[in-house]
Amino acid sequence: KAGVTQTPRYLIKTRGQQVTLSCSPISGHRSVSWYQQTPGQGLQFLFEYFSETQRNKGNFPGRFSGRQFSNSRSEMNVSTLELGDSALYLCASSLGEDEAFFGQGTRLTVV
Amino acid sequence: QKEVEQDPGPLSVPEGAIVSLNCTYSNSAFQYFMWYRQYSRKGPELLMYTYSSGNKEDGRFTAQVDKSSKYISLFIRDSQPSDSATYLCAMRKQAGTALIFGKGTTLSVSS
Repeated sequence: KAGVTQTPRYLIKTRGQQVTLSCSPISGHRSVSWYQQTPGQGLQFLFEYFSETQRNKGNFPGRFSGRQFSNSRSEMNVSTLELGDSALYLCASSLGEDEAFFGQGTRLTVV
Repeated sequence: QKEVEQDPGPLSVPEGAIVSLNCTYSNSAFQYFMWYRQYSRKGPELLMYTYSSGNKEDGRFTAQVDKSSKYISLFIRDSQPSDSATYLCAMRKQAGTALIFGKGTTLSVSS
């Protein structure tokens, strides 16, 4: 059974640019969540989608957005990149109320 | 007060030792509890999942949840060098809500 797939694995962007990250959840999982991981703040929740609807959103600025498609694949977008956006972005998929499985993450570096 | 507190370590033990990892939390609404293992530059790997209070065992790993004390533990028996990683506790109130993570405990098992 394939796990959660995130692409790309690594990205280098310049301040002011925008970036789109992709996540394919485990087959059959309809819930996809996004997290940002930094050494200082640890793992912080960005947002969660279920059946193409955003159910919850974390405390991040509007530059961070996401969407989910009918096949449950999800994308997150960060506009007007700042140096502080450099982080490991993780996607997690869940079947329902149970455990969450993470992908390997996309490491974003903003220069 | 942070919602989830976890001692960052580092924790160093010899091979074969029993390891005890712990988290405390402040929000009594948390019902779903997870432990993840994260190797350097990788995504978190789900080790244990527990709903509400009680114990759960899986191979060398045992998870305990004490909701009355707001305290969760992960025990690793017969620790191996391959267990050297960062261990993250995580919890949430209900499906679709954010997973709240501890900062992680770094474990080193020496052969």
